[in-house]
Amino acid sequence: DVKVTQSSRYLVKRTGEKVFLECVQDMDHENMFWYRQDPGLGLRLIYFSYDVKMKEKGDIPEGYSVSREKKERFSLILESASTNQTSMYLCASTPPDRYIGNTIYFGEGSWLTVV
Amino acid sequence: AQSVAQPEDQVNVAEGNPLTVKCTYSVSGNPYLFWYVQYPNRGLQFLLKYITGDNLVKGSYGFEAEFNKSQTSFHLKKPSALVSDSALYFCAVRDIGGYNFNKFYFGSGTKLNVKP
Repeated sequence: DVKVTQSSRYLVKRTGEKVFLECVQDMDHENMFWYRQDPGLGLRLIYFSYDVKMKEKGDIPEGYSVSREKKERFSLILESASTNQTSMYLCASTPPDRYIGNTIYFGEGSWLTVV
Repeated sequence: AQSVAQPEDQVNVAEGNPLTVKCTYSVSGNPYLFWYVQYPNRGLQFLLKYITGDNLVKGSYGFEAEFNKSQTSFHLKKPSALVSDSALYFCAVRDIGGYNFNKFYFGSGTKLNVKP
C-alpha cells in the first residue's frame, strides 16, 4: 500500500514563527502536493512538485514556500506564521502521469494552530 | 478551468435507506472524476473513479456513482446506508490538460450523517 506520512499531526505555533511541515511518500511518486483544508472551502492547492527541485504554485501560494530536495520528501514552509494560516494541511502524491486513472494518495493531515 | 460543485453541505439519511451525495462538474475535454471519503482527523481515502466506459462505477464499501454526461453530474450513491458511512465526502476532477496535468480539483465537501 502507498503510504504518505506527515510527521507532525498537531502543532501549535506563535505568530511570526517559521513553521516546517514535512511529508514523505514511500512509492517513488514523481508528483507531490500540499493542500489546505478549511470548512466550507474544501481543499485548496498551495503548491505542487512534479520532480526533485521543481515546484509550481497552486491556487493559494501566498505566505507559503516549499522544498523538494529528495524525491520522497516534500516540505511546506510558512516563513512567518499568521493566525489566518490556522488550518488542516494535507500532503498528497500521485504516480507518474502515464495513466490518467491514477488516483491521488493523501497523508493523515497536519493540524496547525497559530496563536 | 476544471471545477466541481457539491451543492449540499450536509446530507442526512436514516440507516438502511438509500443515500445520494451530489456532484456536478465543469471541464474542458473528457472528465476524469473521483470520489473520496474523509473520516474525522484523517486524510482522504479513495472510493471510486470514472475514467471511461460504463456510466455506473462501483467502488469501496458498497458505494457506486453514476456518471451523466448530459447533466454533467457524478452523484455518489449507496443502496443501504450504514451509521459507519457518516463522514465527509469529496468529489474531484483530474485535470489532464497540458501544464496542469495531474492536478486534482476538489469540491467543498458534503457531510453525510447516517442516523440509527
